[in-house]
Amino acid sequence: EAGVTQFPSHSVIEKGQTVTLRCDPISGHDNLYWYRRVMGKEIKFLLHFVKESKQDESGMPNNRFLAERTGGTYSTLKVQPAELEDSGVYFCASSWGDGNTIYFGEGSWLTVV
Amino acid sequence: AQKVTQAQTEISVVEKEDVTLDCVYETRDTTYYLFWYKQPPSGELVFLIRRNSFDEQNEISGRYSWNFQKSTSSFNFTITASQVVDSAVYFCALSDSNSNSGYALNFGKGTSLLVTP
Repeated sequence: EAGVTQFPSHSVIEKGQTVTLRCDPISGHDNLYWYRRVMGKEIKFLLHFVKESKQDESGMPNNRFLAERTGGTYSTLKVQPAELEDSGVYFCASSWGDGNTIYFGEGSWLTVV
Repeated sequence: AQKVTQAQTEISVVEKEDVTLDCVYETRDTTYYLFWYKQPPSGELVFLIRRNSFDEQNEISGRYSWNFQKSTSSFNFTITASQVVDSAVYFCALSDSNSNSGYALNFGKGTSLLVTP
């Protein structure tokens, strides 16, 4: 069974450009989360989907970040326009239900120059 | 207030030593879940263990063991006979009903473990 997969694994973009990160959760997992860790900081929650619905996006830093989960399958996280402080690793995770084990992908490492 | 505290920022040990990583958590819930994740140099977050608040039984998995003590709100992680491959950042995390939705995880700041030959 495939785990949580993320694409791209690494991305280097210039300030002001747009980047879209993709996440494919484990098959059958309704819960999908985005987290990020910026340099030197702890891992922080960004948002949570249940199927295609956003349940909580209180962790999204600002309106330059947009997440979608079309059809309740894969999810995308778009950063537009990217700023230097957006550099870090963006983790996607999924779980079967609330309180169940949350499995993480390998992360998408974003560098904004 | 920080919900998960990993007081040890960095630990360095020599191979074959035992090492304990501390984790102290804070919650008002009676039902909650505790996790440990490993982040090796390659960057991914690897799930190690999940423990619910009603199960205080300690767990051993190979060289890894976990000591869950509700009386002290601690969930410590011990690696016995450490190996170089254990070098990684280890994160303790808590989820409870006061977390973001879906029992999302609140992470500690992580403990960076370096095991030298």
